[in-house]
Amino acid sequence: EIVLTQSPGTLSLSPGERATLSCRASQSVSSSYLAWYQQKPGQAPRLLIYGASSRATGIPDRFSGSGSGTDFTLTISRLEPEDFAVYYCQQYGSSTRTFGQGTKVEIK
Amino acid sequence: EVQLVESGGGLVQPGGSLRLSCAASGFTFSSYSMNWVRQAPGKGLEWVSYISSSSSTIYYADSVKGRFTISRDNAKNSLYLQMNSLRAEDTAVYYCARERIAAAGVFDPWGQGTLVTVSS
Repeated sequence: EIVLTQSPGTLSLSPGERATLSCRASQSVSSSYLAWYQQKPGQAPRLLIYGASSRATGIPDRFSGSGSGTDFTLTISRLEPEDFAVYYCQQYGSSTRTFGQGTKVEIK
Repeated sequence: EVQLVESGGGLVQPGGSLRLSCAASGFTFSSYSMNWVRQAPGKGLEWVSYISSSSSTIYYADSVKGRFTISRDNAKNSLYLQMNSLRAEDTAVYYCARERIAAAGVFDPWGQGTLVTVSS
């Protein structure tokens, strides 16, 4: 099973700042089969990025994904008030899909 | 509009059983693989199970293998999760999630979830 480790656990930033979230895999994620999801309190997760760098429909271009192999990054170029949430990475390169433990982006 | 609506959650005693349902609408359900994902209170996401569009391929997380059974009825546009031998650690919100056809393994969209509480 591929284990995903996200860092940091919590990111305290102000609106307008840049957020950089990391997701590291215990082994190479084939074909960059990595996705990012956003979850707000009391809501279901929402797909942001798939294939490591492709934005889902309707996702603003301030969200971008990068990386390959075992190291992946989600970047939010300028935080908007609605971006404060928990973010999860997920790999789907194997039959056993796995999630990272999440990074909370909170208002400083 | 694509919609996934879970139901069937509730309070159950340890060792008991529960059957979750997910009603799909707004898309051709029979063309899509589906998954169950759960989230314990205050915790992260845990993938539970996968079923292909024709039910020919099924996967489970090790934590539920042998206790949970995923199934679907394409004629009724419904996904199910039969949960037996429930434990306290199975307490969670259970989400159903559709997989993208062109990006298998990507969950989009998700239902709003149904809460399962295992407690005596």
